[in-house]
Amino acid sequence: GAVVSQHPSRVICKSGTSVKIECRSLDFQATTMFWYRQFPKKSLMLMATSNEGSKATYEQGVEKDKFLINHASLTLSTLTVTSAHPEDSSFYICSAGGAFFGQGTRLTVV
Amino acid sequence: AQSVTQPDIHITVSEGASLELRCNYSYGATPYLFWYVQSPGQGLQLLLKYFSGDTLVQGIKGFEAEFKRSQSSFNLRKPSVHWSDAAEYFCALQGAAGNKLTFGGGTRVLVKP
Repeated sequence: GAVVSQHPSRVICKSGTSVKIECRSLDFQATTMFWYRQFPKKSLMLMATSNEGSKATYEQGVEKDKFLINHASLTLSTLTVTSAHPEDSSFYICSAGGAFFGQGTRLTVV
Repeated sequence: AQSVTQPDIHITVSEGASLELRCNYSYGATPYLFWYVQSPGQGLQLLLKYFSGDTLVQGIKGFEAEFKRSQSSFNLRKPSVHWSDAAEYFCALQGAAGNKLTFGGGTRVLVKP
């Protein structure tokens, strides 16, 4: 299957700062990538669809100004959590090709 | 609208015993179906997938799943579990290749020695 690399795997940041998470498809070109969020002991919820060269499509209830998504190339999508707060602490995971997932990023906001 | 239901939140099974995890879906056509496993703090590992053809799908780690259109189900099975199979298992549905996945709520599997 395809290889998706996500970085960093863990990050701790202070409240009010911004954090960028990268998602790379290593062996294929992905015009579409997806960003999910997983709360502790919960399932994965789709946050947004990242479209190469155009604006991301956000799911209902997801603040687009807080979770900035950029998909500037066919192999890279980034998620930036802006002005992070403790309630943004979560496990964020990306996918490419629909079914192939990165390793996930554990974000802790202190 | 599409949805996936995993009726069992927790399952406890003895090591060496068989395991079956249930998954039911709702979708207007035949979807693509997946099973993933997630260990604590880790990402998702794809166990197997069904796109079309043979309704009994073999996956990694000795797992298999059977697609039953009449029951809208895609249950995961393993004949003999190992302690390392303790994890969270997610069933997921995809409407078309490359589309987003819709996940079930997950089933946590505990393995007793």
